[in-house]
Amino acid sequence: QQPVQSPQAVILREGEDAVINCSSSKALYSVHWYRQKHGEAPIFLMILLKGGEQKGHDKISASFNEKKQQSSLYLTASQLSYSGTYFCGTGTAYSGAGSYQLTFGKGTKLSVIP
Amino acid sequence: DTGVSQNPRHKITKRGQNVTFRCDPISEHNRLYWYRQTLGQGPEFLTYFQNEAQLEKSRLLSDRFSAERPKGSFSTLEIQRTEQGDSAMYLCASSLLPNQPQHFGDGTRLSIL
Repeated sequence: QQPVQSPQAVILREGEDAVINCSSSKALYSVHWYRQKHGEAPIFLMILLKGGEQKGHDKISASFNEKKQQSSLYLTASQLSYSGTYFCGTGTAYSGAGSYQLTFGKGTKLSVIP
Repeated sequence: DTGVSQNPRHKITKRGQNVTFRCDPISEHNRLYWYRQTLGQGPEFLTYFQNEAQLEKSRLLSDRFSAERPKGSFSTLEIQRTEQGDSAMYLCASSLLPNQPQHFGDGTRLSIL
């Protein structure tokens, strides 16, 4: 089952904040976040492996609520370089059980304007 | 670390022809994944290798698709008797271990005439 991302698209001015949500109907073990610019490969941002885990990377951070089967990506003080489509990929595998494949959402298109 | 390399970058072929794509993963990565991506969608899982063993294959994947990873290094994805619906970007990714970051190549864009 494909995770659902919201919003589908968002436009920000430089310096503004944004939150992108990812929710699944399946029990999750991991959530992976990627950013993809047009015509380029998806670039890894971060991975969250435990329920309740939060990770940060510069001004981009994420949280994972295992009970609610949701993850959120937080972008603060956005820069022009943040523009692109953000995908969450959900995984259900751990310690050899389940599947190691990632199931990606349809993406959230983020546009940062001056 | 030279990254994941995919060849060719673009492939145009007539319907009914066979095509083969190649992926060279990051050298120390023994996990390799193939995905397909169409416009406006996220990558869709196709198959997964651990070394030379193909451990998972999407149940939605047609029998016309086959993948190999001889000797656990590079991998090839072959599509036989291509159809219009096969037009997409085919992405390869690799990781050191499962549930670790997957690093994607730039993909092969397939266009079916």
